[in-house]
Amino acid sequence: LAKTTQPISMDSYEGQEVNITCSHNNIATNDYITWYQQFPSQGPRFIIQGYKTKVTNEVASLFIPADRKSSTLSLPRVSLSDTAVYYCLVGDADRGGSYIPTFGRGTSLIVHP
Amino acid sequence: GAVVSQHPSRVICKSGTSVKIECRSLDFQATTMFWYRQFPKQSLMLMATSNEGSKATYEQGVEKDKFLINHASLTLSTLTVTSAHPEDSSFYICSARDPWAGGEQYFGPGTRLTVT
Repeated sequence: LAKTTQPISMDSYEGQEVNITCSHNNIATNDYITWYQQFPSQGPRFIIQGYKTKVTNEVASLFIPADRKSSTLSLPRVSLSDTAVYYCLVGDADRGGSYIPTFGRGTSLIVHP
Repeated sequence: GAVVSQHPSRVICKSGTSVKIECRSLDFQATTMFWYRQFPKQSLMLMATSNEGSKATYEQGVEKDKFLINHASLTLSTLTVTSAHPEDSSFYICSARDPWAGGEQYFGPGTRLTVT
């Protein structure tokens, strides 16, 4: 399984854009990159998933360079409610795969007023 | 979207008793479910992979006789903590994979277990 490395914590202010980068140097060809958000005492919530280049949905964007050895989750104009822990997971999420979601330490994002 | 539920959301039990936690996939069938444990301010640690109709696969260091997993149907997996002790107090989270939604993982809301 590809190991991921993220900053332990980040601080931001309301209205700013936040970019969280995850390193996954030994990502495999079939691996997807998935980001989750977790609030205290809740289960992780899916944010976004991608394989290459750029993916955007209503809450975030995911940027993946050509070598796929890293990825960046971009949260536009964060609010206080975005304060949470963000996890980057890498694995073969194909429907036929035996993907086992394995969590690293995650990044604790604190958004200040 | 798909929903995974857990019951109970929180439970307090006395040391030495057993506690059962249920994980259900509400609108999809899951041949595989995962059980995690999370201690305060730590990441989720995978305990075991629950396979419908067969034995669970446990991660190294997880006692299979203490954490009994049963996946009797395509929508239900149960985790039973047997002879619970205070050190078993933790947040237990399950997840299920919807094979028809690009393999996306859905996580339950978690169960807070407190052993007194």
